[in-house]
Amino acid sequence: QVTLKESGPVLVKPTETLTLTCTVSGFSLSNARMGVSWIRQPPGKALEWLAHIFSNDEKSYSTSLKSRLTISKDTSKSQVVLTMTNMDPVDTATYYCARIDGEWLLDYWGQGTLVTVSS
Amino acid sequence: DIVMTQSPDSLAVSLGERATINCKSSQSVLYSSNNKNYLAWYQQKPGQPPKLLIYWASTRESGVPDRFSGSGSGTDFTLTISSLQAEDVAVYYCQQYYSTFFTFGPGTKVDIK
Repeated sequence: QVTLKESGPVLVKPTETLTLTCTVSGFSLSNARMGVSWIRQPPGKALEWLAHIFSNDEKSYSTSLKSRLTISKDTSKSQVVLTMTNMDPVDTATYYCARIDGEWLLDYWGQGTLVTVSS
Repeated sequence: DIVMTQSPDSLAVSLGERATINCKSSQSVLYSSNNKNYLAWYQQKPGQPPKLLIYWASTRESGVPDRFSGSGSGTDFTLTISSLQAEDVAVYYCQQYYSTFFTFGPGTKVDIK
């Protein structure tokens, strides 16, 4: 069965770099045409897509956050890592990772991890 | 980027009544080569991650009750809950996957009247 689990710090200080890890099971990051997306949701607000990476290592980033984001994967560890630099209190949100299936659908989601940015 | 808008922001419907949510994209999400609309709907209940309900604008995900239906093409789409149940209270989001830069609508909150 497909599962995704986000992990990372619950609290970061302003200007610090956030590193989040998505550990997947039930599928391989090398499966053709599959990928993993990161999406965030500030408390009480809407979903915002951040980035994704595919099995062929193709990557895409949110236009508004591109300069601050880096996505990578370690297929042998079944992990996708997202880094976001220069964190600010407005970046406080629940961060989700989700699987992109062969049809570009976000069909499985992790439970999310709440990251608070505060000094 | 493709901008997604939804209306209304929220609605309250009596149990057993119909709920209708609209979604509009700033450009067509219909891919002419396969005649598919790259539009999905998600349901998010409090404290839970979003759940995929409908894709290709009108195809229900496995296990989704048939009271949920999607329609529309090009830039205008609708999610309909034909007979609202208590467990349908949630926020509903549309999302386009036509562009490699995915975008979500702002969400519509559905409550019981």
